[in-house]
Amino acid sequence: DAKTTQPNSMESNEEEPVHLPCNHSTISGTDYIHWYRQLPSQGPEYVIHGLTSNVNNRMASLAIAEDRKSSTLILHRATLRDAAVYYCILREQTGANNLFFGTGTRLTVIP
Amino acid sequence: NAGVTQTPKFQVLKTGQSMTLQCAQDMNHNSMYWYRQDPGMGLRLIYYSASEGTTDKGEVPNGYNVSRLNKREFSLRLESAAPSQTSVYFCASSLNRDTEAFFGQGTRLTVV
Repeated sequence: DAKTTQPNSMESNEEEPVHLPCNHSTISGTDYIHWYRQLPSQGPEYVIHGLTSNVNNRMASLAIAEDRKSSTLILHRATLRDAAVYYCILREQTGANNLFFGTGTRLTVIP
Repeated sequence: NAGVTQTPKFQVLKTGQSMTLQCAQDMNHNSMYWYRQDPGMGLRLIYYSASEGTTDKGEVPNGYNVSRLNKREFSLRLESAAPSQTSVYFCASSLNRDTEAFFGQGTRLTVV
């Protein structure tokens, strides 16, 4: 399984942008980059995913490096409800097509 | 739209007992997954089903069996529960390999 590296924790002030980094130097050409988040006592929730180009949706933006070895999840204005563990995942297009969850980044939002 | 529904939400078992965790999705998804999450850790894949009628082992399949009963339902069975299987279990589904996965709310299992 392709692996990702994320900081264990980050803090952000409420209503400020948050940039959550992820390194995935062993990414293969067909791996999609997925981001999920997990709020306390809940199942993971899909945030965004992409392959090569930057992506935007109502929740966040995903910026993917040109060499695809790193990516950044951008929350444009952090709210208290965004406090969660954020997982950066490479989803393989072969085999189990598993979402391999590492330990993620715990985001704390400060009021 | 209920999404992915897991039952039960909580369960306590004695060592050696058996039980089945149920999972159903109403989104007509092809793929379904079972994960476990231990305290402070990410999720690990137990078994998956790429399509109706097929199942395959994931990272940590020992001690578990699964059944893809139909397109909607994917159950996880513990034949002889052990304390090491104390965990939170999540079921997930996705339409295909390229789309997002949807997760249930989890089953918190304690084996004493």
